[in-house]
Amino acid sequence: GQNIDQPTEMTATEGAIVQINCTYQTSGFNGLFWYQQHAGEAPTFLSYNVLDGLEEKGRFSSFLSRSKGYSYLLLKELQMKDSASYLCALRAAYSGAGSYQLTFGKGTKLSVIP
Amino acid sequence: ETGVTQSPTHLIKTRGQQVTLRCSSQSGHNTVSWYQQALGQGPQFIFQYYREEENGRGNFPPRFSGLQFPNYSSELNVNALELDDSALYLCASSHRTGGTGELFFGEGSRLTVL
Repeated sequence: GQNIDQPTEMTATEGAIVQINCTYQTSGFNGLFWYQQHAGEAPTFLSYNVLDGLEEKGRFSSFLSRSKGYSYLLLKELQMKDSASYLCALRAAYSGAGSYQLTFGKGTKLSVIP
Repeated sequence: ETGVTQSPTHLIKTRGQQVTLRCSSQSGHNTVSWYQQALGQGPQFIFQYYREEENGRGNFPPRFSGLQFPNYSSELNVNALELDDSALYLCASSHRTGGTGELFFGEGSRLTVL
């Protein structure tokens, strides 16, 4: 089975940097995803890590440590439009059946204030 | 390139009724997954279809069933609706081979069961 923990809510100031943590336990691992979800909208893909280290994509970076079962999403130069829920999701080890199912955490609701 | 589209966007049913939700995959994607997202929670995997066959299923009872058609579009059927089935139902498409296998979500169908 899989278990994912992330903070329920966070608040940060416009222009600042915020780090959203995700810890997990899993019996198999084939990648960790971060998705952004604005209220009432579909989740949209932000980043993917399968190897340890930092992946940078513009204002967003994601880090993974497989040995520690830990990831974080780093958002720089926060903008008001970054107010959303951020979902950490695990993909289990490839089973051979071709299943790409993701197990999501409950999400972290980020509020960006002026 | 068209994205994932779902219909209907909102619907209200009563306990015991049946519902069918529809999804058109993103162009070029051959795998479709369905997720249930309760209010304040992350999406939960229901099942996945590839080549018109179910090839992965989450912890949902048999009254949740689905279909995938030759054009990769899909349906989710729920029988004997219960109050707890009230949720946002998300369809996601992906390509089985190549890339990260990231999911592309539709806007969802919000089901209310009274």
